[in-house]
Parts: sequence; C-alpha cells; structure tokens
Amino acid sequence: AQKVTQAQTEISVVEKEDVTLDCVYETRDTTYYLFWYKQPPSGELVFLIRRNSFDEQNEISGRYSWNFQKSTSSFNFTITASQVVDSAVYFCALSEASNAGNMLTFGGGTRLMVKP
Amino acid sequence: DGGITQSPKYLFRKEGQNVTLSCEQNLNHDAMYWYRQDPGQGLRLIYYSQIVNDFQKGDIAEGYSVSREKKESFPLTVTSAQKNPTAFYLCASSILPGLADEETQYFGPGTRLLVL
Repeated sequence: AQKVTQAQTEISVVEKEDVTLDCVYETRDTTYYLFWYKQPPSGELVFLIRRNSFDEQNEISGRYSWNFQKSTSSFNFTITASQVVDSAVYFCALSEASNAGNMLTFGGGTRLMVKP
Repeated sequence: DGGITQSPKYLFRKEGQNVTLSCEQNLNHDAMYWYRQDPGQGLRLIYYSQIVNDFQKGDIAEGYSVSREKKESFPLTVTSAQKNPTAFYLCASSILPGLADEETQYFGPGTRLLVL
C-alpha cells in the first residue's frame, strides 16, 4: 500500500534562512505522481508542484526548489531565503497510476514557522 | 473567476442531526473529491466521483453520504451515524483521471464542522 511520511512535524526558522522540508514515500507502482501543497492559516490547499515518476529532474520556481530522488524514494522541498508569508503547513502527497480514482495519499504535513 | 466554492465556512451540528456541506466548481472538471482533515493531521479521502450519478467510497466513508446529480456539484452529508464529525472538510476537483498531466486536484476553501 502507498504511504507518505513527513517526519518533520514542525520547523521554525528566522526570515531569510533556507529551509528544506522532507518527504519520503512508499509505493509498488512504477508510475506514480508526487505533489506538494501549501495550506496557509486560511485553510485552503494551494497546489505547488506535480512531478511524475519518470521525471527526476529537479525543478526550481523562484525561491522554491524540489529534489526528486527515486533511489531514496524522496521528494524534498526547499525554500530559499524564507519569508514570513511562507509560514504555513506543507503537505506532500502521492497518487498511483494504477489507482483509477486518482486518489491522493497525504503525508501528515510539516508546519513551517518563519519568524521576522 | 473559475474555482471551487464551499459553503458554509462554519457549520454547527446538533446531536443526531444530519448536515450537508456544499461544494460547487465551475472549472468543468469531471472528478470531485471530499477529504476530512483532523487537527495536526493530513487529509483522508471520504468519497470521490468521476462522473455524474456515480461515486465511490474512500478510506473513511462510514457516516457520510454524497450525491452527484450535476457535474458542477458534489454535496456531502454528514449523518448522525458519524460519531466524531468535528473536523475541517475540503472538497477538490480534477480533470478525469487518465489524462496524464491534467490530473492535479485543486481544492476549495473548506468548511469547518463543529458539534454542539
């Protein structure tokens, strides 16, 4: 069965520090999709990135970057020069291609607090 | 603006009462989902629907019911059989699974249900 683990329940940094949020997943499928979502205090989940299992290229989007390593089943998320507005709960999620319903399995989330 | 709306933002339920949470989307998405989030935890799937008049149980369907009479709408009823309904409920939608790059789920703002 699929599983997503976010071992860091809470991280606190000072503004402008870099921070990495870890995500480790388990799946038996060879084709799968990994996601990161941001949940600000308002509660709505904001989509950040989707990555399929055949694309191991790292991705950068502004201050955000993602490191996908199949060898270690990890999909880590780094925020460079963090800002107070980055404070939120971040979720990593997995969807298996064999899953006809496109269901997402979520990790428990990492609460990031960025202090001024 | 295209998006997903959920109402109400807060909902109070009395003992033995059924309550219905609304979810509407104008993204022309085929699939819709309901998730439950408990404090400090990740999201768990309650029900999902890929086409009108069809829906499937997720991991925690007991005590809940849904309908999908229109493509745009996917209401969730929390029945009196759900003994611990206090949680944050999130609705999501996506293009029909199987269309590769378009399978990302997008979320509404959520409804917070409290038991009186």
